[in-house]
Amino acid sequence: GENVEQHPSTLSVQEGDSAVIKCTYSDSASNYFPWYKQELGKRPQLIIDIRSNVGEKKDQRIAVTLNKTAKHFSLHITETQPEDSAVYFCAASPTGTASKLTFGTGTRLQVTL
Amino acid sequence: DSGVTQTPKHLITATGQRVTLRCSPRSGDLSVYWYQQSLDQGLQFLIQYYNGEERAKGNILERFSAQQFPDLHSELNLSSLELGDSALYFCASSVGQTPGNEQFFGPGTRLTVL
Repeated sequence: GENVEQHPSTLSVQEGDSAVIKCTYSDSASNYFPWYKQELGKRPQLIIDIRSNVGEKKDQRIAVTLNKTAKHFSLHITETQPEDSAVYFCAASPTGTASKLTFGTGTRLQVTL
Repeated sequence: DSGVTQTPKHLITATGQRVTLRCSPRSGDLSVYWYQQSLDQGLQFLIQYYNGEERAKGNILERFSAQQFPDLHSELNLSSLELGDSALYFCASSVGQTPGNEQFFGPGTRLTVL
C-alpha cells in the first residue's frame, strides 16, 4: 500500500518568512495529492490539491509542487502570518474506485511575531 | 462549517464497552469516510461508504464496524473498547466515490476510554 512520509514534524518561522513542508510517497499509481490544514481543536480543511498532470499549482500565498519522477511534493507558504499557525497534513492517493487517501504524519507550523 | 455533522462531540466510556458514533454528510454527498486521529498522530483511514455500499477499507479493527443508511447518514460502531481506542474520530463526506473528490470533514467525536 501507499506510504507517505512528511518532514519536518515541526517548523517555526518568523512572520513574513516562507515555510516549506515536504512529502514523499511510495505508490507510483498515486495521482492525487491534497494538503489539509488543521487548526488546534478544529477539523482538517483542504487548502490546496494537485493532480499528477500538473507540476505546480498556486493559490495566493500557498503553492504546491509535484515531482512524479522523484515521488515527492511540497507545500510552500509565502509571507507567513500568525493565522497560518496550524498542523498541515499532506496526503496521496490513486483516484480509482476503492482507493484511499494516505496521510502524512503532519507538520506543526508555528509562525512567531 | 463544512456541512458535515457528527454526534456526539464527546464520549467517555469504560473499557469493554460499545459505542456508536454518528455522521451526517453534506447535502448531496454520497460518500462517507471515517478516520481515526490519535494524540499527535496523523489521520488513519478506517473505511469508506458510497451510496450505502462499502467502497474502501483501511486498517479498521475487527472490533469496529460501520454502515451507511438509505438516508446516507453513517454510523461507526466500536466494541470491546480498549484504552488505545481513545482518539478523535472524524467523518468526512464527498460527492463522488474516489479520493480525487474533495473531502469535507466534520467536527469530530472525541472518544475517551477509561
